[in-house]
Amino acid sequence: SQQGEEDPQALSIQEGENATMNCSYKTSINNLQWYRQNSGRGLVHLILIRSNEREKHSGRLRVTLDTSKKSSSLLITASRAADTASYFCATVSPGETSGSRLTFGEGTQLTVNP
Amino acid sequence: DTAVSQTPKYLVTQMGNDKSIKCEQNLGHDTMYWYKQDSKKFLKIMFSYNNKELIINETVPNRFSPKSPDKAHLNLHINSLELGDSAVYFCASSQRVSGYTFGSGTRLTVV
Repeated sequence: SQQGEEDPQALSIQEGENATMNCSYKTSINNLQWYRQNSGRGLVHLILIRSNEREKHSGRLRVTLDTSKKSSSLLITASRAADTASYFCATVSPGETSGSRLTFGEGTQLTVNP
Repeated sequence: DTAVSQTPKYLVTQMGNDKSIKCEQNLGHDTMYWYKQDSKKFLKIMFSYNNKELIINETVPNRFSPKSPDKAHLNLHINSLELGDSAVYFCASSQRVSGYTFGSGTRLTVV
């Protein structure tokens, strides 16, 4: 069954605005990861946040994790047209080290209009 | 370039045929995977290998058989292809607790 649900399913904003995407999951996790997928391409790893971390930054990306609510958010600040893509959250369960599986959410389609 | 490379990028074939998708990574990662992305963009794991050993085998028809000749290669062979097998198949690799590196995908169309 699907672990993650993402909200919203689609988001359309203007360049320069911030974009926030949310992800909820059902079971305990070891870590949560965010990926970007441009149309017709593979997934690119953006950021990994461990279950004992609450917030992480990478450039214009900010990820938060609330394990009590089983939710995470991805904030992209000062968005650009090149940020247009699908964004997926994915979780890794505790105890999965070698051969760990990613359980993906449904994804959010972000469109940044020039 | 360090990467996960998979071939072919596109594969169009008739029902009933047998086909293979190849994957290679030069990142030195111990673990490799196959994921399937359906028409709604939902991604689901199919197989995982760690140092050539099968670790994860999800509920996948027996027609799908992975083969890992060494830890840098993980190929996927599909027998008796069906219309429902049409999807994008992604190879990926990872090392311990880290982000995955994905290949660019193979779009399989069964006609």
